[in-house]
Amino acid sequence: SAVISQKPSRDICQRGTSLTIQCQVDSQVTMMFWYRQQPGQSLTLIATANQGSEATYESGFVIDKFPISRPNLTFSTLTVSNMSPEDSSIYLCSVGGVLAGSTDTQYFGPGTRLTVL
Amino acid sequence: GENVEQHPSTLSVQEGDSAVIKCTYSDSASNYFPWYKQELGKRPQLIIDIRSNVGEKKDQRIAVTLNKTAKHFSLHITETQPEDSAVYFCAATPGGFKTIFGAGTRLFVKA
Repeated sequence: SAVISQKPSRDICQRGTSLTIQCQVDSQVTMMFWYRQQPGQSLTLIATANQGSEATYESGFVIDKFPISRPNLTFSTLTVSNMSPEDSSIYLCSVGGVLAGSTDTQYFGPGTRLTVL
Repeated sequence: GENVEQHPSTLSVQEGDSAVIKCTYSDSASNYFPWYKQELGKRPQLIIDIRSNVGEKKDQRIAVTLNKTAKHFSLHITETQPEDSAVYFCAATPGGFKTIFGAGTRLFVKA
């Protein structure tokens, strides 16, 4: 499986500010996704990060709040904009479709724990 | 769209007993069903998966069964150990890599 890293691992931010989370994979992957996991809850898909084009957002998530970049097949960023305490959560990136060996399994990064005061 | 329901939400078993977690899905187009284990403070880790052309798959103490007709699949853990304590998520993939997760089952294995 691919080795996935995320930065930062955690952060404490003030409301009204923005935070950009980075996701780096050690091999080229077809698909990259961003999830949110609130305490004690399941995984909610925010968006699919598309290489070279705009991300595909799920219902309830918008580009102005969660802009996403994916400049190449190994890297993506998620920005949480104009943060409020309700944005406090764990944000996880996941990857699928490792190009070297086609698969539809998703593998998760270690997550970024965000606290908004 | 796809909807995945998972039961029970909490499961407590004695060490050595078996644990069973059940999931149902709604979209008959779903063809891939992974199971993830998430320990406290860690990322979800894939533990086993099954595709729609297979009815059962086993890996040591873990097995998964799939009933396509009834649209349900189950995770079976035998000879449970304290290190099996975690949250388990089932998921269904209706195609195109998009994965829909169940609500999770918190498993406690009592020594």
